[in-house]
Amino acid sequence: GAGVSQSPRYKVAKRGQDVALRCDPISGHVSLFWYQQALGQGPEFLTYFQNEAQLDKSGLPSDRFFAERPEGSVSTLKIQRTQQEDSAVYLCASSLGLGETQYFGPGTRLLVL
Amino acid sequence: SQQGEEDPQALSIQEGENATMNCSYKTSINNLQWYRQNSGRGLVHLILIRSNEREKHSGRLRVTLDTSKKSSSLLITASRAADTASYFCATAGANSKLTFGKGITLSVRP
Repeated sequence: GAGVSQSPRYKVAKRGQDVALRCDPISGHVSLFWYQQALGQGPEFLTYFQNEAQLDKSGLPSDRFFAERPEGSVSTLKIQRTQQEDSAVYLCASSLGLGETQYFGPGTRLLVL
Repeated sequence: SQQGEEDPQALSIQEGENATMNCSYKTSINNLQWYRQNSGRGLVHLILIRSNEREKHSGRLRVTLDTSKKSSSLLITASRAADTASYFCATAGANSKLTFGKGITLSVRP
């Protein structure tokens, strides 16, 4: 069956540009998570949703980061006025529910110049 | 912040040998998960062990969990060149968000 998909796979942005990263979770998965992975590091939690409700956004680095999941399926992570330190791989994961296995997408590699 | 710490940071073995990787963590957990990541690719889930479990097996993988020592180990038996990757342990608390370690780089020489 189809796994988690993310688009675009690669994004190059000029500093100050806004970007939008999309995540399509596995069909029927209620929980959706966003993580940020810097080079040579493990992923770090950004935010998560239970259906359309954003239950935890404690990991978002600044108010330039915004995530939504309006219909409880597809999610978008938006970064406004990108900075060089935002360069990383952004990973999306989904699970059947809380406490269940999280399945990850291939990630979006963002490079801010 | 990263809770899990994997040990060793890098491991190089010969094909056919067993690989043992360790993970320690600091706070109480609901479950612990191990993932594999090939260079430049996404994370592949390997195994989940819940806090009330002590050992789980999946194919050539064996995971143990010692909640009193706040540690876990991943054993890969009869390693293959295709097992070359980075391995991460990730802990989940009541809120289910995963906290990852920095990862272990495993190289399996043919």
